[in-house]
Amino acid sequence: SQQGEEDPQALSIQEGENATMNCSYKTSINNLQWYRQNSGRGLVHLILIRSNEREKHSGRLRVTLDTSKKSSSLLITASRAADTASYFCAPLSGSARQLTFGSGTQLTVLP
Amino acid sequence: DAGVTQSPTHLIKTRGQQVTLRCSPKSGHDTVSWYQQALGQGPQFIFQYYEEEERQRGNFPDRFSGHQFPNYSSELNVNALLLGDSALYLCASSLVTGAYNEQFFGPGTRLTVL
Repeated sequence: SQQGEEDPQALSIQEGENATMNCSYKTSINNLQWYRQNSGRGLVHLILIRSNEREKHSGRLRVTLDTSKKSSSLLITASRAADTASYFCAPLSGSARQLTFGSGTQLTVLP
Repeated sequence: DAGVTQSPTHLIKTRGQQVTLRCSPKSGHDTVSWYQQALGQGPQFIFQYYEEEERQRGNFPDRFSGHQFPNYSSELNVNALLLGDSALYLCASSLVTGAYNEQFFGPGTRLTVL
């Protein structure tokens, strides 16, 4: 399995602004998943994008995938204080079954 | 539809002791994975159980062992606890036939080793 690297490590924005975080990985993937973790709690699956997809939407979330650059981005539009959390990406390759996480992006949305 | 549940929520142990953490998967799921998350870090994969057998293991010593029961619930056991074992332990369930290995996480057990 391979680990995704999230960037930036920390992001602080005002409520209503958009937040963009990035994920880079090293080898080809089958799919890439984004998870959110509120402070000290379990992870919540946000969105999955397959390797043959370039963009996917879910509510205020938009995920893009560029397999040529081995990178993905997560955009949260019109952010809210409740979006304050850590965000992790998990690229999945081959027959890998476990998720491998980086250190995540800590997003703080200020009211 | 019950999600993934874990018990206990918090636990305090001393060095050298042993601990058992429990996990019940989401209804309909047959695979359970365990992760360790140190403060400020992402979760690290410990192992995965399916059909009551460990099918994949991360880079963790043999002090970490597990079990899966016929009802798919699972236990994580840690022997000879070290201070460095203090972490949030997360359980995640999934379906082995799931095409994309989407995993559903429980709220975690916070283990403190003194």
